Amino acid sequence: DGGITQSPKYLFRKEGQNVTLSCEQNLNHDAMYWYRQDPGQGLRLIYYSQIVNDFQKGDIAEGYSVSREKKESFPLTVTSAQKNPTAFYLCASSIRQVNGLYNEQFFGPGTRLTVL
Amino acid sequence: GENVEQHPSTLSVQEGDSAVIKCTYSDSASNYFPWYKQELGKGPQLIIDIRSNVGEKKDQRIAVTLNKTAKHFSLHITETQPEDSAVYFCAASRRGAQKLVFGQGTRLTINP
Repeated sequence: DGGITQSPKYLFRKEGQNVTLSCEQNLNHDAMYWYRQDPGQGLRLIYYSQIVNDFQKGDIAEGYSVSREKKESFPLTVTSAQKNPTAFYLCASSIRQVNGLYNEQFFGPGTRLTVL
Repeated sequence: GENVEQHPSTLSVQEGDSAVIKCTYSDSASNYFPWYKQELGKGPQLIIDIRSNVGEKKDQRIAVTLNKTAKHFSLHITETQPEDSAVYFCAASRRGAQKLVFGQGTRLTINP
């Protein structure tokens, strides 16, 4: 069964603690993305990676960190430096662009993080 | 950078009627425009997309139109059904940008 998995579905943490959100895909996609979704807002890009061992900051990278050691995995760490971390986090993947043509992003089910 | 505006933020229609959601974009170099549907507590799913070399694309009850001159594109859902109730997002990307820019979303409610 191919797809993207995110775990856990719900996550609670105390203020000041770092927390890592998991994202795994078995679609053999090169590119992976992390988005943050807040109520009434669109998806905002946190980080993205086009290839293993390489990643770029998105629009709201402050307070977050990522790694891309394996093609199928792209974990996101929400650090204590993130001022307002409570949100719904979505991971996505896509095949790499060819000739600059964009391709569909496939999304995981999301992780809802609540910082108490 | 690219900016995508989406309207309306909420839309309520009677079952069987049509629904239209509109988006405008700022970057004239944008050439890919997908629409995603997000059901409660789930990740978004692509329902239709269009590239800048065509003006319209249809898939059963769903269609997307693109006006490159005016820099806007629209989602049209005909013969709406209760299962169409969800949040819909438009997005845009330009050639080589490697990322999508999303609109703010439209919560569509189909009233039986």
